[in-house]
Amino acid sequence: EIVMTQSPATLSVSPGERATLSCRASQSVSSNLAWYQQKPGQAPRLLIYGASTRATGIPARFSGSGSGTEFTLTISSLQSEDFAVYYCQQYNNWPPTWTFGQGTKVEIK
Amino acid sequence: EVQLVESGGGLVQPGGSLRLSCAASGFTFSSYEMNWVRQAPGKGLEWVSYISSSGSTIYYADSVKGRFTISRDNAKNSLYLQMNSLRAEDTAVYYCVFGRAPYYFDYWGQGTLVTVSS
Repeated sequence: EIVMTQSPATLSVSPGERATLSCRASQSVSSNLAWYQQKPGQAPRLLIYGASTRATGIPARFSGSGSGTEFTLTISSLQSEDFAVYYCQQYNNWPPTWTFGQGTKVEIK
Repeated sequence: EVQLVESGGGLVQPGGSLRLSCAASGFTFSSYEMNWVRQAPGKGLEWVSYISSSGSTIYYADSVKGRFTISRDNAKNSLYLQMNSLRAEDTAVYYCVFGRAPYYFDYWGQGTLVTVSS
């Protein structure tokens, strides 16, 4: 099983600042990585797929980068609605044994 | 508008069974591969099961293999998850999900809570 490790567990950021979240895979997943945002009491929302492609309707302040085992989600200027938990997911294998990271909580500083 | 509405969750004793349903609307259900993803209380996300658009190809996470059965009825635009031999560690919100590609998930239901406890 490919283990996804996210860091940090919690990120304290002031509104308007930049947030950088990391996701590391235990083995190469190429660019087969997605990012999701989840707010309390809500289902996750797809932000990024293919490591760097924004999903439909996702603001340009969200960007993804990386390939292989190291990935980054950057939120260029945090808005109040961006405070949430963010998960990465690898989908490199078939048959599927897709796995998620444990999440990074972005909280208001 | 795409809608996925899960139902069937509830409290069940260890060793018991439960059948989850997901009613789909707003898209051509029979054209899309579907999945179940779960989230234990206060924890992260776990992919549970996949089913192809026709229902002919099915996969499970090791944690549920042999106990859970995914199925679909394209005539009724519905996805199901039959859960048997339930354990405390199966306690979670179960989401019905799919995506424009089979591997990541653009669309999520609101989830249904399954609690396994005596």
